[in-house]
Amino acid sequence: QKEVEQDPGPLSVPEGAIVSLNCTYSNSAFQYFMWYRQYSRKGPELLMYTYSSGNKEDGRFTAQVDKSSKYISLFIRDSQPSDSATYLCAMSASGNQFYFGTGTSLTVIP
Amino acid sequence: AAGVIQSPRHLIKEKRETATLKCYPIPRHDTVYWYQQGPGQDPQFLISFYEKMQSDKGSIPDRFSAQQFSDYHSELNMSSLELGDSALYFCASSLGARPPEQYFGPGTRLTVT
Repeated sequence: QKEVEQDPGPLSVPEGAIVSLNCTYSNSAFQYFMWYRQYSRKGPELLMYTYSSGNKEDGRFTAQVDKSSKYISLFIRDSQPSDSATYLCAMSASGNQFYFGTGTSLTVIP
Repeated sequence: AAGVIQSPRHLIKEKRETATLKCYPIPRHDTVYWYQQGPGQDPQFLISFYEKMQSDKGSIPDRFSAQQFSDYHSELNMSSLELGDSALYFCASSLGARPPEQYFGPGTRLTVT
């Protein structure tokens, strides 16, 4: 069983929709939770990270962590075609070695 | 702003050959991480260095070695290449040994024929 599970999608939504991306994990020692965006043939780009539980908001993006359920989410409001990419969750116990999900492919249709 | 630089961007090698990948971290970043991403796969952590010392080790094959130099750049050396080593190799850098903010380079695409 992988440390981190993520639905690979693909996910296709109309422009302006709210997008919900999710990951589950099994290692209760994880305390750093990150979301990356990866465009084709590019390196992952850090979007947001949270430490321990709670919510974090940055513009149209909101990250939520529920450690009791071992479940994290990324919400994208007012989605734009430029948001079309693969979204990877990543987690770490130490802040050093990361464990990635397989990524969810998102397409926002104009 | 300066980003992580990786070279070469593309590399084609034959089986059993050797390859060296280079990573130049963001200025002032002292920690470097190496990841391998196979086609349609998530990035797999290989190894990391903090202040020129190995800080963590993941699923790096024994055929691979890496080091971080005095100027903080890092090199990943891969010997006895196999077809399965064909992948995108990412380097990431961060400031300090324990933060979650890793900044990724564009990757080196290695093809083994």
